[in-house]
Amino acid sequence: DGGITQSPKYLFRKEGQNVTLSCEQNLNHDAMYWYRQDPGQGLRLIYYSQIVNDFQKGDIAEGYSVSREKKESFPLTVTSAQKNPTAFYLCASSISRGNEQFFGPGTRLTVL
Amino acid sequence: GEDVEQSLFLSVREGDSSVINCTYTDSSSTYLYWYKQEPGAGLQLLTYIFSNMDMKQDQRLTVLLNKKDKHLSLRIADTQTGDSAIYFCAESPPREAAGNKLTFGGGTRVLVKP
Repeated sequence: DGGITQSPKYLFRKEGQNVTLSCEQNLNHDAMYWYRQDPGQGLRLIYYSQIVNDFQKGDIAEGYSVSREKKESFPLTVTSAQKNPTAFYLCASSISRGNEQFFGPGTRLTVL
Repeated sequence: GEDVEQSLFLSVREGDSSVINCTYTDSSSTYLYWYKQEPGAGLQLLTYIFSNMDMKQDQRLTVLLNKKDKHLSLRIADTQTGDSAIYFCAESPPREAAGNKLTFGGGTRVLVKP
């Protein structure tokens, strides 16, 4: 059963702590993406990766970091430098750049 | 830069047709997508259209593209309560462009009343 998984679904952290959000896909997709969604708004691209060991900043990369050590995995770290981290985070993947993107179920991060 | 605009809200009666509209500014867009998001969930790809097409039909969904006016619409026939969700349109640049950044609209919340 192929798909994209994100864990956990809900995450709570204290201000000043780094937190890592997981994204795994078994679709054999080359490209993976992280988006942030705020209430009543569309999606904004944080980082994307077209192949293993390579990634690029999106529109709002400040305060975030990623790694792409394996094709299946693209974890996102929300650092203490991110000024307003509370949001809904969505991971997506596509066969390659230019193809339609498929999304995971999302992780809702709340920083207290 | 690219910009994608959608109306915020649409209310429709069960059984009627829904039409969700979207405008975009990037004339080089090659693919335009419609995604559906149910509460607390990820986005589900509904359909997409290539920019050299003007219409695509898939069961209850009809996508119309007016490339001259940069206007995209999604028509849902026989709208059901399960169609209540937020609908996002998105556009992508030519595949040979660097990266594959989808630019999303702000979403249209569709409420289907029984």
